Amino acid sequence: AAGVIQSPRHLIKEKRETATLKCYPIPRHDTVYWYQQGPGQDPQFLISFYEKMQSDKGSIPDRFSAQQFSDYHSELNMSSLELGDSALYFCASRKTGTSYNYGYTFGSGTRLTVV
Amino acid sequence: GEDVEQSLFLSVREGDSSVINCTYTDSSSTYLYWYKQEPGAGLQLLTYIFSNMDMKQDQRLTVLLNKKDKHLSLRIADTQTGDSAIYFCAERYGGSQGNLIFGKGTKLSVKP
Repeated sequence: AAGVIQSPRHLIKEKRETATLKCYPIPRHDTVYWYQQGPGQDPQFLISFYEKMQSDKGSIPDRFSAQQFSDYHSELNMSSLELGDSALYFCASRKTGTSYNYGYTFGSGTRLTVV
Repeated sequence: GEDVEQSLFLSVREGDSSVINCTYTDSSSTYLYWYKQEPGAGLQLLTYIFSNMDMKQDQRLTVLLNKKDKHLSLRIADTQTGDSAIYFCAERYGGSQGNLIFGKGTKLSVKP
C-alpha cells in the first residue's frame, strides 16, 4: 500500500539559509499535518491543511510557511534557519469526513540539521 | 492548554507483560492513539480507541480507557526485545480534522 512520502530524508543547511521540505500524502487523503520533533522530544504540531486550505496552526514560527498544492502534496518552507530548527520533521496524512476513523499515517520524516 | 502525560521509562523482562500509562486533559477527545517509534525511525500507528469504548484488543495489544479519570493504558503481552522502542500516547484535538497532541513518550526497554 502507498505510504506518505517525504523528501528529502536528510538535509544539512547552514544558519540563515532556507530549506524546503516536501510531503506526498496517501492518495485520496484530504488532510495533511506537519510536525516537528526535536531530539528526545515528542512531536509538536506545526500546521495542517484540509482540501488545500490551511486548517489549523500550531507552534509554527513566523519564519516558516507551508502550502498544499492542487495535487495535494504539501511543502514546508523554512527561512533564516537557526540551530534550534535542527529536528525531525514529519508529515502525516489522513482521510476525514467519514464515519470510520482513519488513523494519522506518518511519513518517515526529514532530518534537518542546521550547522 | 491540552496536555498528555506519560511516564518516561519502563523496563521489563522478555516474556513479561508491559503496561504503559497515559493521562490526558481534553474530555472531548473522541479518539486516542498509541504510536511506536524505533530509534531514528518514523511514527508507526499501533492502535487507537474510540472514546465510547472501555477496551480494545488487537493480538498482543490491549488498550484500556477510563474516560472518567482520563486515563489510557497500553498492555503488551509476551513482550519481546523487538518491542523496545518509544511509545507515544496521543489524543485527537479539534474535531474531525483535528491534529494530534502527543505525550512525551515512554521508552520501553526489554531485557532478554
